[in-house]
Amino acid sequence: AQSVSQHNHHVILSEAASLELGCNYSYGGTVNLFWYVQYPGQHLQLLLKYFSGDPLVKGIKGFEAEFIKSKFSFNLRKPSVQWSDTAEYFCAVSTGRRALTFGSGTRLQVQP
Amino acid sequence: DGGITQSPKYLFRKEGQNVTLSCEQNLNHDAMYWYRQDPGQGLRLIYYSQIVNDFQKGDIAEGYSVSREKKESFPLTVTSAQKNPTAFYLCASSTAAGNTIYFGEGSWLTVV
Repeated sequence: AQSVSQHNHHVILSEAASLELGCNYSYGGTVNLFWYVQYPGQHLQLLLKYFSGDPLVKGIKGFEAEFIKSKFSFNLRKPSVQWSDTAEYFCAVSTGRRALTFGSGTRLQVQP
Repeated sequence: DGGITQSPKYLFRKEGQNVTLSCEQNLNHDAMYWYRQDPGQGLRLIYYSQIVNDFQKGDIAEGYSVSREKKESFPLTVTSAQKNPTAFYLCASSTAAGNTIYFGEGSWLTVV
């Protein structure tokens, strides 16, 4: 069965700091990879996704993620965070079954 | 506007009662999903349906039931057999290819 691990449960950064959130998955076949964000009081929104091609994927709001197949990883990055990036971030993977499996989430708190 | 509508947004239930959460989509999506979100555990898949009149159990199906009589509707019943039903429930849908999954705004269920 597929699974997703997000090792950082709570991250606190100051504005302008760089961000990297880890995501590892376990599945031997072809995967589709996603990062979702949930701002306080709002519903889940798609940040970016990877299906194939360039392993460096750019998403909305300056986020990017890199798929490293050999490491089964899909880490999320942003060079300079803002207070408005405070949210919970979820990594997710889908395989042939097509139902998304989510990680446990990382709560990001950006201090002004 | 196209989207996914979940109702009610907030629901209180007495122990021992069944309750049904509604999910309707007008995106013409073939696949629909129900997830449960608990703090620190991310989103866990309850049930999913890839086509009308067919559905499969997810990772935590015990104590829940679903039906898919119409393409646009995928109601979830939380039965009295569900031991810890207080949670945030998210409905989602996608095309058959599952390229992108869209989420509703969720329903808060509290057992009193």
